[in-house]
Amino acid sequence: GDSVTQTEGPVTVSESESLIINCTYSATSIAYPNLFWYVRYPGEGLQLLLKVITAGQKGSSRGFEATYNKETTSFHLQKASVQESDSAVYYCALGRNNYAQGLTFGLGTRVSVFP
Amino acid sequence: GPKVLQIPSHQIIDMGQMVTLNCDPVSNHLYFYWYKQILGQQMEFLVNFYNGKVMEKSKLFKDQFSVERPDGSYFTLKIQPTALEDSAVYFCASRGHISNERLFFGHGTKLSVL
Repeated sequence: GDSVTQTEGPVTVSESESLIINCTYSATSIAYPNLFWYVRYPGEGLQLLLKVITAGQKGSSRGFEATYNKETTSFHLQKASVQESDSAVYYCALGRNNYAQGLTFGLGTRVSVFP
Repeated sequence: GPKVLQIPSHQIIDMGQMVTLNCDPVSNHLYFYWYKQILGQQMEFLVNFYNGKVMEKSKLFKDQFSVERPDGSYFTLKIQPTALEDSAVYFCASRGHISNERLFFGHGTKLSVL
C-alpha cells in the first residue's frame, strides 16, 4: 500500500532559524500522486498548508515551500526563517486526484519555535 | 473560513455499547470522510461517502461500523458494538464537488472505550 514517512519529532528551533521537515513517500497504487502538507496549530483543526499535484512543481504558503520530486519520491517542507506562530504539528500526505480513498498521512512532526 | 464541526469532542463508553459520532460538514459539500487515529499512530482513512452511499472503505472499516447522512443533517459514524480497539480520535472531513478540491477537517472526537 501507499505510505508516507516524515521527520520524527519533536523538532525544536529558535525564532528566525531555518526549518526543514523531510517527507518521502511510496505510492504503489498511484503513478503520480498529489502531495500535501497539512498543519494543526494548537487548539485548531487540521488545515491544508500547501499542495502540489504536478511532479517538479513547487508549492508555497505562509513562507513555507515544498517541491514535488518524483526521482527521489520526496516532498520536503522548508522555511527560511520561522516564527513562534509556526509552532504546530505538520503532516505530509498523498492522495489520488479524486480523493477516492482519502489521503495517506505521515505520523506528523511536532515543531516548537522558541523566541 | 469554512468549518467542519464534530460533536462531542470526547466520548466515553463501555465496551459493547453503541456509539454515534456526529459531524456537521461544510455547507454545500458533497463528499464526506471519516479517519481514525490511534494514539501515536498515523491518521488512517476509514470511509468515503457520497450521494447517500459508501464509495470506498478501508480494511479498518469493520462490519460493526456504519455511516449515514439522513436528510442532509449530520454525517454520522456508528459503531455497534464497540470494542476496546475502537478507542481513538475520529476525524471527519468534507469537500466540494470539484476534483482536487481540498479536504476540510474537523477537530476530531476522542472515543474512549472502557
